[in-house]
Amino acid sequence: QSVLTQPPSASGTPGQTVTISCSGGSSNIGSGSVNWYRQFSGAAPKLLIYSADQRPSGVPDRISGSTSGTSASLAIRDLQSEDEADYYCASWDASLFGWVFGGGTTLTVL
Amino acid sequence: QVQLQESGPRLVKPSETLSLTCTVSGDSIKYNYWAWIRQSPGRGLEWLGHMSDSGGTYFSPSLRSRVSISLDTSRNHVSLQLTSLTAADTAVYFCARYVVRLGGGFDYWGKGALVTVSS
Repeated sequence: QSVLTQPPSASGTPGQTVTISCSGGSSNIGSGSVNWYRQFSGAAPKLLIYSADQRPSGVPDRISGSTSGTSASLAIRDLQSEDEADYYCASWDASLFGWVFGGGTTLTVL
Repeated sequence: QVQLQESGPRLVKPSETLSLTCTVSGDSIKYNYWAWIRQSPGRGLEWLGHMSDSGGTYFSPSLRSRVSISLDTSRNHVSLQLTSLTAADTAVYFCARYVVRLGGGFDYWGKGALVTVSS
């Protein structure tokens, strides 16, 4: 059971906007810390979003993040076939004093 | 370009100690923090800990009694030791660079090393 809760799956058609949610608590997401990762099958995760809504260099602006209270969301606009992957949220938990991850969401492009 | 490569035994017996090494190129481990993260089918991604050469060591509370991380700045290596192994420790182990200015994001990862705990 992960500290952060994500839906196990999400889907969309090319060109659509898909949103993936991540629910936590006051000691993690509610404290302002959340990062998002993308992982293709058999590969290492890649940092997509840090500090809730910041993109590292090289990440396209059709990918965005936001938070509201103790929940975070990752939005992928103009969905493309190469967006098919697993997506994970992560947050520093001040109570556990450690990083916690969501269980991951598998995104399928129909 | 920063690159990380995990190495070490891929099959370890229960109750033994796992030792993995992460060789870093393209960056000096004297700067930033360096982390170990593992991934198993039943438990997803799990942060094990991170540390920097200047101090500041953080370990997962659930593994603190069994995990240690060390830095060899002369070889630019980051090492992981995990003691008293059980089958539940079977996972892909990743080393990663942890960057405070990126909100604590792990921005460079190794390809991962699949470690199986079995007799």
